[in-house]
Amino acid sequence: DAGVIQSPRHEVTEMGQEVTLRCKPISGHNSLFWYRQTMMRGLELLIYFNNNVPIDDSGMPEDRFSAKMPNASFSTLKIQPSEPRDSAVYFCASSQLPGRNYGYTFGSGTRLTVV
Amino acid sequence: GQQLNQSPQSMFIQEGEDVSMNCTSSSIFNTWLWYKQDPGEGPVLLIALYKAGELTSNGRLTAQFGITRKDSFLNISASIPSDVGIYFCAGLYGSARQLTFGSGTQLTVLP
Repeated sequence: DAGVIQSPRHEVTEMGQEVTLRCKPISGHNSLFWYRQTMMRGLELLIYFNNNVPIDDSGMPEDRFSAKMPNASFSTLKIQPSEPRDSAVYFCASSQLPGRNYGYTFGSGTRLTVV
Repeated sequence: GQQLNQSPQSMFIQEGEDVSMNCTSSSIFNTWLWYKQDPGEGPVLLIALYKAGELTSNGRLTAQFGITRKDSFLNISASIPSDVGIYFCAGLYGSARQLTFGSGTQLTVLP
């Protein structure tokens, strides 16, 4: 298995532009999570999906952020318009829940820089 | 939400030394997990613990699920340079399906 695949690995954009981050979870996993990592706040859960349905989006910072999971093999996180404070590493993770092993498998992340 | 207090925040150790880090919470957790994040990568699961008192090893790593279910520790024996990274604890409490993550321990191994 190729693991959780995220694209792009790096994104540099200007303030006000739309940014779309992409994630392909592990085949067979039914849960998908989007996290944001910064030095100040550590790992923050933004939203998670179970069977393609958003279950908890309480971590989404504001209306500028939106996430979709149109099918079991693809999810997007969109920021529109982007702001410099959105600069962070964004991780996607997937898991099979419920299950004996609650360990999430993380992708390699997208490093977003908004200038 | 629930909080995990992870300590220490950072550690500088000599190669060959043993390392210990821990996580505590005011709430009871059902599952404890330990992850390692290498620079430029996502966290990778090291050890998972499911029962109070459980002690599990993975090579030079040993982790324990505290008896009170409110804490867990991770030990690394005979550290080597590739142990460098950020170590996160994570836990599952109650009926939650989302993991709660600690703030991480940044480990630096000096030659």
